[in-house]
Amino acid sequence: DVKVTQSSRYLVKRTGEKVFLECVQDMDHENMFWYRQDPGLGLRLIYFSYDVKMKEKGDIPEGYSVSREKKERFSLILESASTNQTSMYLCASRDAYSNQPQHFGDGTRLSIL
Amino acid sequence: KNQVEQSPQSLIILEGKNCTLQCNYTVSPFSNLRWYKQDTGRGPVSLTIMTFSENTKSNGRYTATLDADTKQSSLHITASQLSDSASYICVVSPYGNNRLAFGKGNQVVVIP
Repeated sequence: DVKVTQSSRYLVKRTGEKVFLECVQDMDHENMFWYRQDPGLGLRLIYFSYDVKMKEKGDIPEGYSVSREKKERFSLILESASTNQTSMYLCASRDAYSNQPQHFGDGTRLSIL
Repeated sequence: KNQVEQSPQSLIILEGKNCTLQCNYTVSPFSNLRWYKQDTGRGPVSLTIMTFSENTKSNGRYTATLDADTKQSSLHITASQLSDSASYICVVSPYGNNRLAFGKGNQVVVIP
């Protein structure tokens, strides 16, 4: 069974802090994704990575950056956290060469005060 | 513009009853359409997948249908159980594109 693990379930940070959200998958998947999920808006893609050291902007990349130094780990970075980044953040991974679905972690609920 | 619209936004049903959730999409061409179930506080989990040539797919008490001509899909839940309380998300995968198009979800609450 695929396991996508997000380092924190709940996180509280202050405005202006640099915030790191970590995601690890155990299935050697090439593709990894970061989404945020807000009530009434659904899931929105922030960034994704085709493979190690590769990244591509999603629909809402402003205020975020990512890092993929190892295949199993994909980090989301909030350079200077703001209150409008309070949200649920979901990481997903996918085998690039099959028709298998994206597998999601259980999310990190981030609050910026 | 939202390429995937789901209805109803939310519904409450009695345990044991059936219900049907609707998904209309404009993504074209598309590779496949999935329904995901998201329990409160958890990540979405894939329930069914259909390619453009498939009409129906079942997973236990869940049955998904697809009409590629009208660009509509439905998810039917038979004999609902309390554990069916969740958000059901319709997700369309554009052809040749890694970026999924997500609906906003149908929130289902099953009451005893």
